[in-house]
Amino acid sequence: DARVTQTPRDKVTEMGQEVTMRCQPILGHNTVFWYRQTMMQGLELLAYFRNRAPLDDSGMPKDRFSAEMPDATLATLKIQPSEPRDSAVYFCASGLRLAGVYNEQFFGPGTRLTVL
Amino acid sequence: QKEVEQDPGPLSVPEGAIVSLNCTYSNSAFQYFMWYRQYSRKGPELLMYTYSSGNKEDGRFTAQVDKSSKYISLFIRDSQPSDSATYLCAMSAKETSGSRLTFGEGTQLTVNP
Repeated sequence: DARVTQTPRDKVTEMGQEVTMRCQPILGHNTVFWYRQTMMQGLELLAYFRNRAPLDDSGMPKDRFSAEMPDATLATLKIQPSEPRDSAVYFCASGLRLAGVYNEQFFGPGTRLTVL
Repeated sequence: QKEVEQDPGPLSVPEGAIVSLNCTYSNSAFQYFMWYRQYSRKGPELLMYTYSSGNKEDGRFTAQVDKSSKYISLFIRDSQPSDSATYLCAMSAKETSGSRLTFGEGTQLTVNP
């Protein structure tokens, strides 16, 4: 049963600390997405990659957030320094981009981040 | 104004009721329309998707798209307690084929036994 995995599931940290969230996409998927979900804003796209190259990171605060794909099996989202307003659930999703057909996204279970 | 508007609820119905969930949107470029279901402390999972206008039925679920009104709906027949979740609509323009989704904020549904 292929699924997206994310670690950690929960993270509590203090303001100013670095936070790293990891995602393992479904094997064979060529597109990886990072989303943030809050009560106020709902689900927002932060960034996405295709074949490990960043395609769009316009939803991400550039001064403190960074997203990378060191290899095809790992995507990371880092926040440095973290702030209380970063508290949210961060989701990773993966999909297989095929031209001309609908490309479903499969979501991971999320990382619940609390910044004190 | 948000591109996709969805009433957050909460919505509470008795078991067996017909549930109607709706979203409106402003971007006429949207061609793919999706409904995701999200259980508490889980990631969203795709329920249904529709391309362009029309209806699509899958078991107890029916998705409707009215592009002329920029309005989409999800109907759940014979609702069950296991349908209790947050339902998110999502949309995508044709050129991205679902790769770039814009979500509604979700409607929280509770089906009472």
